[in-house]
Amino acid sequence: GENVEQHPSTLSVQEGDSAVIKCTYSDSASNYFPWYKQELGKGPQLIIDIRSNVGEKKDQRIAVTLNKTAKHFSLHITETQPEDSAVYFCAPGLVFGKGTRLSVIA
Amino acid sequence: DAGVIQSPRHEVTEMGQEVTLRCKPISGHNSLFWYRQTMMRGLELLIYFNNNVPIDDSGMPEDRFSAKMPNASFSTLKIQPSEPRDSAVYFCASSFGQAAYEQYFGPGTRLTVT
Repeated sequence: GENVEQHPSTLSVQEGDSAVIKCTYSDSASNYFPWYKQELGKGPQLIIDIRSNVGEKKDQRIAVTLNKTAKHFSLHITETQPEDSAVYFCAPGLVFGKGTRLSVIA
Repeated sequence: DAGVIQSPRHEVTEMGQEVTLRCKPISGHNSLFWYRQTMMRGLELLIYFNNNVPIDDSGMPEDRFSAKMPNASFSTLKIQPSEPRDSAVYFCASSFGQAAYEQYFGPGTRLTVT
């Protein structure tokens, strides 16, 4: 089955700085690469996704980049704001990573 | 749109009791997923349905767990008998299509088994 690793497990940044979270996977057949954001007491919410035929996708302050050869994809958040503080999950296939707790310090 | 609806939001029960969790997917979505989230194991897929048919139940922990989807707008996850180690937050999610693209999660049910 799919083996998913997510790094780092925790990340603290100053407001306005950038944050990058990396996800590696093992199943070369994976073709869908989403990132979810989970706030306290809520269910995960899809924030951005990418299909295997695209290398990068941007949506305002967030972007996802995919390297299928190396089997990893990354979430990039620029100009971070306190409301970006949450736990972020990658989920190639139906396997979720362990999550990255992002804290944005004002 | 009301989003995915789960009930109850919180459930406290004693070991050995039967627990039934309920989910109403987003109208028009034809795939439904049940997940369990704990600190130790993270977010785990238990089972998913497509067009009301179970496709993959390999994540169901043991025979004490069962899930049904009698129609396109309702699903249940049942635990009988419940054990303290079943304490977790259970999420239901739905999506459109056969693949697990763009899943929309419900608010979850926090289950505590004493």
